[in-house]
Amino acid sequence: EAGVAQSPRYKIIEKRQSVAFWCNPISGHATLYWYQQILGQGPKLLIQFQNNGVVDDSQLPKDRFSAERLKGVDSTLKIQPAKLEDSAVYLCASSLSVLQGARGGTGELFFGEGSRLTVL
Amino acid sequence: TQLLEQSPQFLSIQEGENLTVYCNSSSVFSSLQWYRQEPGEGPVLLVTVVTGGEVKKLKRLTFQFGDARKDSSLHITAAQTGDTGLYLCARRRTSYGKLTFGQGTILTVHP
Repeated sequence: EAGVAQSPRYKIIEKRQSVAFWCNPISGHATLYWYQQILGQGPKLLIQFQNNGVVDDSQLPKDRFSAERLKGVDSTLKIQPAKLEDSAVYLCASSLSVLQGARGGTGELFFGEGSRLTVL
Repeated sequence: TQLLEQSPQFLSIQEGENLTVYCNSSSVFSSLQWYRQEPGEGPVLLVTVVTGGEVKKLKRLTFQFGDARKDSSLHITAAQTGDTGLYLCARRRTSYGKLTFGQGTILTVHP
């Protein structure tokens, strides 16, 4: 079974430029997550989708970050304009729907390898 | 605000030693998960615990969920160099709630 695919793996940009990350979740997974992981810290949830609807985006800096999952499958996370503090690894994860997970499933998140962003 | 506190933040030990990593919160969990992350990769689930007082074993790893469901521990017996990595606890406050991670414990096992 194919895992969560992310691209690009690495991106270096200058501050005030824009960048986009793409994620293709595991087939059949209704829930998709974008996490930001700064070096030495745990992942922080930016946004959670259930199919093509947003479940939680309370920690997404909406003045510069946007994300979409138009057809309920793959997703794009965009940053415009980027700041130095956006340097981090952006992790995409997917899972069976949270509802299915609550009904006896483990609620396991499957992560991609991440996209490492460096803002100069 | 760190909702989940993990300790220690760093741990450096010799192969063969035992170790314990802790995860604590002031609020009750619906469930708690432990993940392990290697450099350049995403976190991988080790275990999910949902019942207060629950103990689960995975080879040399023992996971315990506190009776009050506010804390958890991970104990590794006879650590190996392959155990090196970032250990993350993550909790849901409700069955359908978002998964929130702690800041992690970086474990280095030296040969």
